[in-house]
Amino acid sequence: GAVVSQHPSWVICKSGTSVKIECRSLDFQATTMFWYRQFPKQSLMLMATSNEGSKATYEQGVEKDKFLINHASLTLSTLTVTSAHPEDSSFYICSAPDSLWGNNEQFFGPGTRLTVL
Amino acid sequence: GQQLNQSPQSMFIQEGEDVSMNCTSSSIFNTWLWYKQDPGEGPVLLIALYKAGELTSNGRLTAQFGITRKDSFLNISASIPSDVGIYFCAGVHGSSNTGKLIFGQGTTLQVKP
Repeated sequence: GAVVSQHPSWVICKSGTSVKIECRSLDFQATTMFWYRQFPKQSLMLMATSNEGSKATYEQGVEKDKFLINHASLTLSTLTVTSAHPEDSSFYICSAPDSLWGNNEQFFGPGTRLTVL
Repeated sequence: GQQLNQSPQSMFIQEGEDVSMNCTSSSIFNTWLWYKQDPGEGPVLLIALYKAGELTSNGRLTAQFGITRKDSFLNISASIPSDVGIYFCAGVHGSSNTGKLIFGQGTTLQVKP
């Protein structure tokens, strides 16, 4: 299957700082990428859809000014958690569909563990 | 947000046993996907289903797209210790043009050697 990477794999930051997470499609181009958040022992919850060349679309209840998304190129999307607080601590995962495998098959990155102190 | 109803929530089985889990929805889906997630990692795609009634295998895994398009099941035959993990169903809503996935709550599988 297609390969998606994330960086960093984990990050610890102080409350009030901003953290940037990168998501890259390594062997395919992705005009759309998706960002999820997963709390312990829970399922994945979609936060937003990242669109190359246009604004991201956010799910209900997700603050767009707090979770900034930039789809800089056909292989890179970034999620910036601004003014992070302890309640933002979570596992953040991105995914991207590879059209060669089927329009709806999404491939996930390895995730980024964010801990806000 | 909307979630699929996935069951069972957890299973603890003996190595060599077969496993079955399923997902249901009150609305129609046009794609069903099954993923496995190991601790601290992202989900890995196991099987993708696109047609009602479709039965697809991947090694010891078999999944089916329900005829009504409102359910899917995943079977694992002759389980082994490395099958341990969380299995998620995910679907794309029948009316969706965004490709957004809706996830089930997950089934945690533990295998006793």
